[in-house]
Amino acid sequence: DGGITQSPKYLFRKEGQNVTLSCEQNLNHDAMYWYRQDPGQGLRLIYYSQIVNDFQKGDIAEGYSVSREKKESFPLTVTSAQKNPTAFYLCASRWDFTGELFFGEGSRLTVL
Amino acid sequence: ELKVEQNPLFLSMQEGKNYTIYCNYSTTSDRLYWYRQDPGKSLESLFVLLSNGAVKQEGRLMASLDTKARLSTLHITAAVHDLSATYFCAGLNRDDKIIFGKGTRLHILP
Repeated sequence: DGGITQSPKYLFRKEGQNVTLSCEQNLNHDAMYWYRQDPGQGLRLIYYSQIVNDFQKGDIAEGYSVSREKKESFPLTVTSAQKNPTAFYLCASRWDFTGELFFGEGSRLTVL
Repeated sequence: ELKVEQNPLFLSMQEGKNYTIYCNYSTTSDRLYWYRQDPGKSLESLFVLLSNGAVKQEGRLMASLDTKARLSTLHITAAVHDLSATYFCAGLNRDDKIIFGKGTRLHILP
């Protein structure tokens, strides 16, 4: 089955800890994206990558880091520098033909 | 940079009524997307609009794109409770950023 797999679905973290959210796709898409969603809010772009070994900052990159060593994988690290990390994180890949995004199920991070 | 504005942000309507959600965007974008999000869930793609005048329909939902007016609409016909969700429009920026509107939370009353 083709799609986007995010893990974990739920994650609890203590203040001061880094956490890494996994995002894997088997759709053979070049571009991948990370968004953050706060309750009742829209999606804000954290980072995106158009090709392996390259990525660009989105609108709220501070306190986050990413890597893109493989086409299939685009992990997001939420560092201790992110002041308010509790949120719903969504990963997506983009179909080049139309630009349409395909989303994973999301990862819900709670900082205790 | 592309900015996307939706209105209304919240809509409560009776079953059987018609209504339209508007999506305005600030710069040239010849691609516009509509997504649906159910509470606590991820987003699913509804419509992809790739050119001026494009119209797509699926069931009681119809989306259209007017690139000259920089406007897309999502029209709901004879609403049913199952359509209660948050609807997002999004546009493709020149640098491949995909920018989302704040979403329209649609609540359909039985």
